[in-house]
Amino acid sequence: DVKVTQSSRYLVKRTGEKVFLECVQDMDHENMFWYRQDPGLGLRLIYFSYDVKMKEKGDIPEGYSVSREKKERFSLILESASTNQTSMYLCASSFSGSKNTGELFFGEGSRLTVL
Amino acid sequence: GESVGLHLPTLSVQEGDNSIINCAYSNSASDYFIWYKQESGKGPQFIIDIRSNMDKRQGQRVTVLLNKTVKHLSLQIAATQPGDSAVYFCAEIMNRDDKIIFGKGTRLHILP
Repeated sequence: DVKVTQSSRYLVKRTGEKVFLECVQDMDHENMFWYRQDPGLGLRLIYFSYDVKMKEKGDIPEGYSVSREKKERFSLILESASTNQTSMYLCASSFSGSKNTGELFFGEGSRLTVL
Repeated sequence: GESVGLHLPTLSVQEGDNSIINCAYSNSASDYFIWYKQESGKGPQFIIDIRSNMDKRQGQRVTVLLNKTVKHLSLQIAATQPGDSAVYFCAEIMNRDDKIIFGKGTRLHILP
């Protein structure tokens, strides 16, 4: 089974702190994604990556950055956390090209609270 | 803004009855549609998909219907069970390597 693992299920941080959210997948997927999920707003795409060292902005990249140094790992970084970044963060991965069925495989989520 | 949305935010269904969850989309160029299920405390999981050149696709207890004329997508769950209680998201993509756009979700409540 595909496994997407997010390093932390729950985090509490203070305003201004730097936050790292780590995601690792074990299926050799090329594509990786970071979403945030908020009540009434659904899933919104922050950043995605189609290959190592590649990154593309999603719909709401402001206040975030990402890193993809290895194929299996995609990190989301909040340089200076703010209270409006309190949310559930979901990492996902998928194949690309002819192997891509369009299905995303999600991690369990990381719930971040910024005080 | 998002091109995918849902008609109802919550749906309550009697256990054993059939459930129908609806979704509207606005991008006629989308060629692939997917339904996801998200149980409490978990990430979304793939349920079923349908290509734009199809009208209907069936899985185990689930059926997805696509009406391109009115840009409407629905998920039917037969004989709804307590384990079906979750939030259901529809999603669309224009091709298999594009980012996926999700709807806001419908919460399905199962009544005993």
